Amino acid sequence: AQSVTQLGSHVSVSEGALVLLRCNYSSSVPPYLFWYVQYPNQGLQLLLKYTTGATLVKGINGFEAEFKKSETSFHLTKPSAHMSDAAEYFCAVQGAQKLVFGQGTRLTINP
Amino acid sequence: DSGVTQTPKHLITATGQRVTLRCSPRSGDLSVYWYQQSLDQGLQFLIQYYNGEERAKGNILERFSAQQFPDLHSELNLSSLELGDSALYFCASSVEEAGNTIYFGEGSWLTVV
Repeated sequence: AQSVTQLGSHVSVSEGALVLLRCNYSSSVPPYLFWYVQYPNQGLQLLLKYTTGATLVKGINGFEAEFKKSETSFHLTKPSAHMSDAAEYFCAVQGAQKLVFGQGTRLTINP
Repeated sequence: DSGVTQTPKHLITATGQRVTLRCSPRSGDLSVYWYQQSLDQGLQFLIQYYNGEERAKGNILERFSAQQFPDLHSELNLSSLELGDSALYFCASSVEEAGNTIYFGEGSWLTVV
């Protein structure tokens, strides 16, 4: 069975600083991996996904993630944080069509 | 706008009651998923339908049931409601191929009082 662990339920960075949100996965088959973002009182929006091919995946709003099989990781990064990035971020692995989500990381941006 | 429509957006009801949440998937998507989001349990997969047939079942209580109709819209029925059922219920849809994006609606907020 697939599972995802997000390291750190809360991350706080200063505006303009690097954003790093950590995700480790467990999967018995080659994984399909996703990052979703949830803004307050809104649904889940896809940031990016990895299926096959290039291990560095670029997404919307300047985010990117790198699939590292040897480390079973799919960490999300953004070089320079904006105030508008404040939200909850979910890593997910696709198992038997459905998505299995991590517990989420709440990102706070300090001015 | 993901193209997935959920109604109602907010619902307040009493314990013991029954409610129905409705979902219209994106045009062309045959798969519909239901998820529950709560503070203590996070995002939990409840059930998936594909073209009217139940495809996968997750942590769905026996008091809950769902169905997908011929026009592909789906309903999640929650009965004998308890305070702990208060949560945000998401519907999502996709074209059912591995690696395809699953698109989420904005959710239905259920408060049980």
